[in-house]
Amino acid sequence: DIVMTQGALPNPVPSGESASITCQSSKSLLHSNGKTYLNWYLQRPGQSPQLLIYWMSTRALGVSDRFSGSGSGTDFTLKISSVEAEDVGVYYCQQFLEYPYMFGAGTKLELK
Amino acid sequence: EVQLQQSGAEFGKPGTSVMLSCKVSGYNIRNTYMHWVNQRPGKGLKWIGRIDPTNGNTIYTEKFKNKATLTADTSSNTAYMQLSQLQSDDTAIYFCAMNSGYYFDYWGQGVLVTVSS
Repeated sequence: DIVMTQGALPNPVPSGESASITCQSSKSLLHSNGKTYLNWYLQRPGQSPQLLIYWMSTRALGVSDRFSGSGSGTDFTLKISSVEAEDVGVYYCQQFLEYPYMFGAGTKLELK
Repeated sequence: EVQLQQSGAEFGKPGTSVMLSCKVSGYNIRNTYMHWVNQRPGKGLKWIGRIDPTNGNTIYTEKFKNKATLTADTSSNTAYMQLSQLQSDDTAIYFCAMNSGYYFDYWGQGVLVTVSS
């Protein structure tokens, strides 16, 4: 199985500051078609997860441009510029290259 | 608008089974795979498995191979998951999700399954 390892945030993050969440995969998620099968989700307290980023850097429909994804085949970063109250929650990375579709353990974002 | 509506909270005694449902509206489940994810209290997301509603083909993560059984009814556009031989560590929220692409873009609201004697 592909293991996904997420980094922690230096919580709490001051409102208006930027925050970067890291994620590492145990195997390259770069497919031969040139796409990298790494997704990011946000789970707000008491809610279902919602898709933020897919293919490592493509924002999902309706997602604020304050969210951006980047990385290589095994090392990934989700950047949130100008953190707001609605960004509070747990962020998960997920690989979609092969079964099982493993998630990272999650990174909690708290606001100051 | 695509919506995934899951059945209500379930309570089960150890050793029994429960059946969860996930009814999809606004999208034909024949055009997607239906997935199930669990989340133990205060913990992260774990992918359980998926079903192709068109042919019933299933894939499970190793841990849930003898625990979960996924089925789907295309006539009612509904996916199901049966959890058998319930144990206390099966207590969790269970989400259904679907992928229109290489990601889970639609999720159910989640259902809490509590296992207790």
